[in-house]
Parts: sequence; structure tokens; C-alpha cells
Amino acid sequence: QSLLSQPPSASGTPGQRVTISCSGSSSNIGSNVVNWYQQLPGAAPRLLIYGNDQRPSGVPDRFSGSKSGTSASLAISGLQSEDEADYYCAAWDDSLNGRGVFGGGTKLTVL
Amino acid sequence: VHLVESGGGLARPGGSLRLSCAASGFIFSNNAMMWVRQAPGKGLEWVAGVSGKSVTTDYAASVKGRFIISRDNSKNTLYLQMTSLTAADTALYYCARSPFSGRTVTIDNWGQGTLVTVSS
Repeated sequence: QSLLSQPPSASGTPGQRVTISCSGSSSNIGSNVVNWYQQLPGAAPRLLIYGNDQRPSGVPDRFSGSKSGTSASLAISGLQSEDEADYYCAAWDDSLNGRGVFGGGTKLTVL
Repeated sequence: VHLVESGGGLARPGGSLRLSCAASGFIFSNNAMMWVRQAPGKGLEWVAGVSGKSVTTDYAASVKGRFIISRDNSKNTLYLQMTSLTAADTALYYCARSPFSGRTVTIDNWGQGTLVTVSS
């Protein structure tokens, strides 16, 4: 069981806005930044959001991140078929001398 | 940036393997590096991380005491020594680079992975 909780699935229609949540605790999201990764089928993950709400160059501004307290969210606006993928949140956790943690992942389906 | 993993394969329960990751295209010692694994059909799991100058090493609870992460900055290579392997260690192991030098889960470059299978 991951320290970061994500819904196992989410869905939306093209053009719609969807959000994916990531719930943690004071030892991870509450005190460290959150990153989001996209993993297309058969591919290595790709960094979507870092530092809670920063987009690396090349990531469309349709993707946005936010954090409040011990929770974070990834929003995807103007949903496109190519957004169908697995999405993971990740954060540093200060317990047990420190370690990285990923959420369990959310499978996004574009209907 | 180019990360190429090697060393994966079949190992027996209780056995050992050493993974390597050859890095190129950046100043290796400036960046923290880590290993992330993904069991077949499962999600991502952070395994271990090492800071740029090897000042800090960190491990997931599931591998602590069995795996050792290290790096040789003169060879631009990251390693993962894995011992006391169990079936639960079966996964695709990714070498990953952070844009930062310290303790972090921010990863801006990933290798293609090397598959480790633990089976008798």
C-alpha cells in the first residue's frame, strides 16, 4: 500500500477537463514538493509537473498541478486521445530516514 | 542525456545481481541518480537514490539492507547491487536522473530499463 493515494482510474471525453488527486500525509506532501509523471503504454515515464506546479519545457500548458496541505492534484484541460495513459504522483517522504514514494497510479481513459 | 541500463536477467531466489547504468550527455556528478522499478502490470516503485557526490544514499523499506546503490563519477556509471533476491523483486528496473543534486524524487530523464526476473 503506497503512502500516496490515487484513484485507480479516471475518465473523460475529448475536450473535457479532468483532475487526478493524490493524498498523502505531513511527512511527504505536507512537507515536500510533489511531482507528476505520465506513462504511455510500453514507454518509460515522463515528467509532467515538478515542484508542485512547474511544467518542464515541452509539456503543454493543458497540464497543471497544485498542492494544498497534504493533498495534490493534476488537472488536464482540453483532454485529447493521446492523454490516455497512467499518471503517477511522487514526493519525498521524511519518515524512516527519508525515501522517495510514488502513488499507486491512475489509469486515465479518454472515452 | 542518455541512460543505458545493463545487468538484468534471471536470478534464483536468494541470489544476487548487479545492475549498471551508463550515463552520458551531462556532467554526471552534478545530478542525483536513482533506481525506480516497475513489476509486470504494476505501478512505479522508488527503490534507491544517491546524491551527486555520494554524500547521501537512501532506500525504500522493501530493499533496505539487501540493495546497495553506488556511483562512480569517474566512469559516469550508476550501480545497484542486489542481494537476497525474492520473487517480489521481479521488475523492470529504470535508471533515472534528477535535475537536482540532493535527495529528491524529481526525475527528468529515464533509461529504457533492464528486466530482472527472480525465479527458481
